[in-house]
Amino acid sequence: DGGITQSPKYLFRKEGQNVTLSCEQNLNHDAMYWYRQDPGQGLRLIYYSQIVNDFQKGDIAEGYSVSREKKESFPLTVTSAQKNPTAFYLCASSIYSGLYNEQFFGPGTRLTVL
Amino acid sequence: KNQVEQSPQSLIILEGKNCTLQCNYTVSPFSNLRWYKQDTGRGPVSLTIMTFSENTKSNGRYTATLDADTKQSSLHITASQLSDSASYICVVSAQFSGANNLFFGTGTRLTVIP
Repeated sequence: DGGITQSPKYLFRKEGQNVTLSCEQNLNHDAMYWYRQDPGQGLRLIYYSQIVNDFQKGDIAEGYSVSREKKESFPLTVTSAQKNPTAFYLCASSIYSGLYNEQFFGPGTRLTVL
Repeated sequence: KNQVEQSPQSLIILEGKNCTLQCNYTVSPFSNLRWYKQDTGRGPVSLTIMTFSENTKSNGRYTATLDADTKQSSLHITASQLSDSASYICVVSAQFSGANNLFFGTGTRLTVIP
């Protein structure tokens, strides 16, 4: 069953804690992305990776970190430096990050800061 | 400034009725436009992808149109079903490389009632 998975579906964090969101894909896609979705706003790009061991900051990277040690995996860490982390986080992947880069999205992780 | 605006923000229709969602963009240079369907608490799923030369594309009861001259697109849903209740997101891709060449609308929230 091919696709892109995210875990956990719901995550609760206390202020000052770091948390890591998992994203795995078995589509053999080179490129992977992390987005943040807030009510009334379009998706905003946090980080993206075009190839293993390489990643670039998106529009709102402050307070987040990522790694890309394997082609299949692109975990996102929300650090304590992120002042307003409560949001819905979406991971996506595409064959490559060129012009016709149709992205396939995971089911999302809803993070709530208590 | 590259922007994507969608209207209406929300829409309620009776089951079996048709509806049309609008997307206006200022993204330049234009590459392609996609419509995504996002169920509540889930990741977006692609409905249609249209390039500059395509005016109309259908996917079952969903028909997208594109007028590249006026920079407008619409998504027409025919004979709506309860399962059509979701947010519909317009995404425009610009003709430059990199993951930040995608511009997301804020979506139209459609509710289909029996």
